[in-house]
Amino acid sequence: EAGVAQSPRYKIIEKRQSVAFWCNPISGHATLYWYQQILGQGPKLLIQFQNNGVVDDSQLPKDRFSAERLKGVDSTLKIQPAKLEDSAVYLCATIGQGATDTQYFGPGTRLTVL
Amino acid sequence: LAKTTQPISMDSYEGQEVNITCSHNNIATNDYITWYQQFPSQGPRFIIQGYKTKVTNEVASLFIPADRKSSTLSLPRVSLSDTAVYYCLVGDSNYQLIWGAGTKLIIKP
Repeated sequence: EAGVAQSPRYKIIEKRQSVAFWCNPISGHATLYWYQQILGQGPKLLIQFQNNGVVDDSQLPKDRFSAERLKGVDSTLKIQPAKLEDSAVYLCATIGQGATDTQYFGPGTRLTVL
Repeated sequence: LAKTTQPISMDSYEGQEVNITCSHNNIATNDYITWYQQFPSQGPRFIIQGYKTKVTNEVASLFIPADRKSSTLSLPRVSLSDTAVYYCLVGDSNYQLIWGAGTKLIIKP
């Protein structure tokens, strides 16, 4: 079974620029999360999708962050404009079938904002 | 509001048993407690999950007391490759996911 795919793996931009991250979940996984992980900290949930609907986006800075999951499969997370404090690893995770809610994570995208 | 507390770091030696405890108050009454392992430059990886008492799989055991206010991850006979950051994950009463800050485990030869 293929894992969660994310791209790009690394991105360096200047502040005020825009950036987008892409996540391709494991086939059939309906629940998808985007996390922000700042160096030395645990993951912080940004948004949760169930199929193509948003379940929880309470911690998403909506003035600059947006996410979508068209057709309930791939998802993109966008930051516009980026700030220095957005430098972090952005992780995508998905949940498969069953009641245990085990999350499967992608390798993450490391964003550096200069 | 649910909150988790873990030791920031721990050291141990190869072949030893390591126990990492996470304290978590006000968690959802019917949600699982899950532990993840994370290596540098990788996403977290599921280790073990439990609801109460004791759960054991091929890599670890998880002990959860009846009050569910803490959980202890037990790694038997650790090796150098177990050096990683370990996170506990719980759900609060609103079923929001709460990640601990992680415990950096360093295994020495």
